[in-house]
Formats: sequence, C-alpha cells, structure tokens
Amino acid sequence: AQTVTQSQPEMSVQEAETVTLSCTYDTSESDYYLFWYKQPPSRQMILVIRQEAYKQQNATENRFSVNFQKAAKSFSLKISDSQLGDAAMYFCAYRSFNDMRFGAGTRLTVKP
Amino acid sequence: DTEVTQTPKHLVMGMTNKKSLKCEQHMGHRAMYWYKQKAKKPPELMFVYSYEKLSINESVPSRFSPECPNSSLLNLHLHALQPEDSALYLCASSLRRMADQAKNIQYFGAGTRLSVL
Repeated sequence: AQTVTQSQPEMSVQEAETVTLSCTYDTSESDYYLFWYKQPPSRQMILVIRQEAYKQQNATENRFSVNFQKAAKSFSLKISDSQLGDAAMYFCAYRSFNDMRFGAGTRLTVKP
Repeated sequence: DTEVTQTPKHLVMGMTNKKSLKCEQHMGHRAMYWYKQKAKKPPELMFVYSYEKLSINESVPSRFSPECPNSSLLNLHLHALQPEDSALYLCASSLRRMADQAKNIQYFGAGTRLSVL
C-alpha cells in the first residue's frame, strides 16, 4: 500500500522568510500525482500546488514551489516570503488509480 | 465558482439518533467523496461516487450510509453511531473520478464537525 510520510509535525518561520516542508512517499506505481493542501483553522482543505509524477520540472505557484525527486520519492514544499496567512496545517497527498492518501501533516506557524 | 457547501457545520447527536450530512456543489463535477478526519490526523477516504454511483467504499461500517441523489448532491446518513465516530467529515468533488483522470483536483468543503454523545 502507498504511504505518505511527513516527518515534521511542527515548523515555524519568521514572516518574509523561507521555509521548506518535507514529504516522502512509498509506491510501486509509475503514474501518480502529488499535492500539497493547506488546512487553516477554518478547516477547509485548500490546494496549494500539484505535481504530476511524469513531469520532471518542479511545479511552482507564486510563492510556493516544490522539489520533486522521483527516484528518492521525495516531494518537499518551499514557501518563500512567508506571510501570516500561510499559518495552517499542511498535508502532503498522493493520488493514483483508486487511491488518495494524506500524510500526517505539518503545522506551520508564522511569526510576525 | 469552486465552492463545495456542507451542512450543517456542527452536529451533536446521541447514539440512537438518525441524522444526515449534506454536501452540494454546482461546478459540474461528476465525482464526489466523503472523508473522515479525526483530530490532529489526516483525512481518510470513506466513499467515492462517480456519476452518482458508488465506486469506492473503504470498508466503512454500515452505520454510515452514503447517498448521491444527483450529480450535485451527496448525503451521508448516520445511524447508531458510536462516540469514536466523532470527527470532522469532509466532502470533496472533482471533475471526474480518480480512475479516469487522476490529476483531477479535489475541491473540499469546510466540513461538518460531528460529536456523538
């Protein structure tokens, strides 16, 4: 079975600085997709960024970018110029045929 | 419009009650999902509906009964729940089912916070 591991239960960053959240996964499949979702206190899961496994180019979305290392099964999220509104629980997610799994989450605190 | 609406936001019920959670989207999505999220845990997939038909049931107890009356609505009927069923129940939708296009993004509602006494 596929597993998603986020080894950092909590992270903190100073406003305007950069932080990287780690995610590793285990799969034997070749066709899959990876996502980062954020869940603020409002509870709604919001998509931050996604990466198709067949694409070598790392995805970027404004201040958010990923470092996708397929051989190492690693998918980290970099947040640049952190803002107070970035404070939330961040979940790494793996999606393939008939499967959607989330990591345990990393709680990000942004200090003013 | 990327909104998935869930009602109610909060629900408290006894173990003998029957209640329903509702989820609605008007994005033309044909796949809808129920997740269960315990406190400080990630969401866990419960059910997947594709074109109003149940396609995935992750061995969820029968006290949870999903229903998809049409492509815009998804209900979760609750009966004889246990205190351990207390959790946040999230609904999501995507353009198509996972198996057709795995890259389809799932849009989530804000959830229903369920407490079983």
